[in-house]
Amino acid sequence: GAGVSQSPSNKVTEKGKDVELRCDPISGHTALYWYRQSLGQGLEFLIYFQGNSAPDKSGLPSDRFSAERTGGSVSTLTIQRTQQEDSAVYLCASSTPWGRETQYFGPGTRLLVL
Amino acid sequence: QQQVKQSPQSLIVQKGGISIINCAYENTAFDYFPWYQQFPGKGPALLIAIRPDVSEKKEGRFTISFNKSAKQFSLHIMDSQPGDSATYFCAATSTRAGSYQLTFGKGTKLSVIP
Repeated sequence: GAGVSQSPSNKVTEKGKDVELRCDPISGHTALYWYRQSLGQGLEFLIYFQGNSAPDKSGLPSDRFSAERTGGSVSTLTIQRTQQEDSAVYLCASSTPWGRETQYFGPGTRLLVL
Repeated sequence: QQQVKQSPQSLIVQKGGISIINCAYENTAFDYFPWYQQFPGKGPALLIAIRPDVSEKKEGRFTISFNKSAKQFSLHIMDSQPGDSATYFCAATSTRAGSYQLTFGKGTKLSVIP
């Protein structure tokens, strides 16, 4: 079946603007993760959703970052007042609830903040 | 604090040779260790994974060796091919509780030359 999809694939924005990144998980995958991949820091966990449970937001780097998941499927990661250090690839992953360690990644959104 | 250390940063191997990538972890709660392969412009793809109750796992040309007492694990790629040229990430997570978020090493860029 279809894999994890993310949009847009690339986003260029100006410092101070807000951006929204979208993730469509694999059908039936109730667990959804956001990670950030940057040159200096590698792959870092941002936030985790599982069904209707409260999300694990422990990886969000600042209060400018937020995410929501509507209807247990699509997720949106929002970055407010973007800074140049937010430039990175934002990756979404999903998994089944009984196999959350096996995470399937989307192609990512490449964000460039000028 | 980097919880998963990966080496080398880059590796050049001749076609047909053995590629070896090493990782070490600190958190004794980790109990699942996957390796991901990432091609340029793509998201990471799960390659092979191991749990600490076994010391070795082989899938085709890919083998994970695991040393629980030393808190180290490694990926061996036998008969390396140019198509294996990619960036490889080791990762770790705890499946006992929480979000199963993955902690990644910083990656190894493998180049297999013909």
